[in-house]
Amino acid sequence: GAGVSQSPSNKVTEKGKDVELRCDPISGHTALYWYRQSLGQGLEFLIYFQGNSAPDKSGLPSDRFSAERTGGSVSTLTIQRTQQEDSAVYLCASSLQPRGSTTNEKLFFGSGTQLSVL
Amino acid sequence: LAKTTQPISMDSYEGQEVNITCSHNNIATNDYITWYQQFPSQGPRFIIQGYKTKVTNEVASLFIPADRKSSTLSLPRVSLSDTAVYYCLVGEDSGYSTLTFGKGTMLLVSP
Repeated sequence: GAGVSQSPSNKVTEKGKDVELRCDPISGHTALYWYRQSLGQGLEFLIYFQGNSAPDKSGLPSDRFSAERTGGSVSTLTIQRTQQEDSAVYLCASSLQPRGSTTNEKLFFGSGTQLSVL
Repeated sequence: LAKTTQPISMDSYEGQEVNITCSHNNIATNDYITWYQQFPSQGPRFIIQGYKTKVTNEVASLFIPADRKSSTLSLPRVSLSDTAVYYCLVGEDSGYSTLTFGKGTMLLVSP
């Protein structure tokens, strides 16, 4: 596709349920990021994938959060046993350049998944 | 960490030039300065990026002084559709970049 695609666009779940959020990055982009944005707040880094390297999970807030990226393309963010404080917009971004490149690093974002935990 | 500081909000009127300044006192030698724009219910969108002096594209200009400890995003002749949150980002100095987004500057353009 032409841009980063995320699904679903909205997800309502009950406390304690597991959810999976999907991200389709731009074709050819090797770097993939997940961010979380709570209402009125900035973006909080969650996890970073680069090619086949081990992901940087330093931003994941708890062990209930995990993510994988299959075949260097599609990524899934999983939240287990959801809590109300997990309610936020989850944004995915991809980049042609690896993180920390000396050349320009430009991220392309999807429209996000609005997660509401009741 | 190359943390950034920018105003929480700014108000303007249609047709005016808007300048949003970002401070980044601890910017590292290899760090670029990047600005993103975010509309409600959308992900951030890249606006402009620079390393030093001045960069201009069809959307905005970016002014960076010689010491690179700040940068100014300039939006010429804003319209109502420029109402958005604007984020200033710089890379971190470890060779890694978590591309930390702060709360940004909420620009409100009125008629």
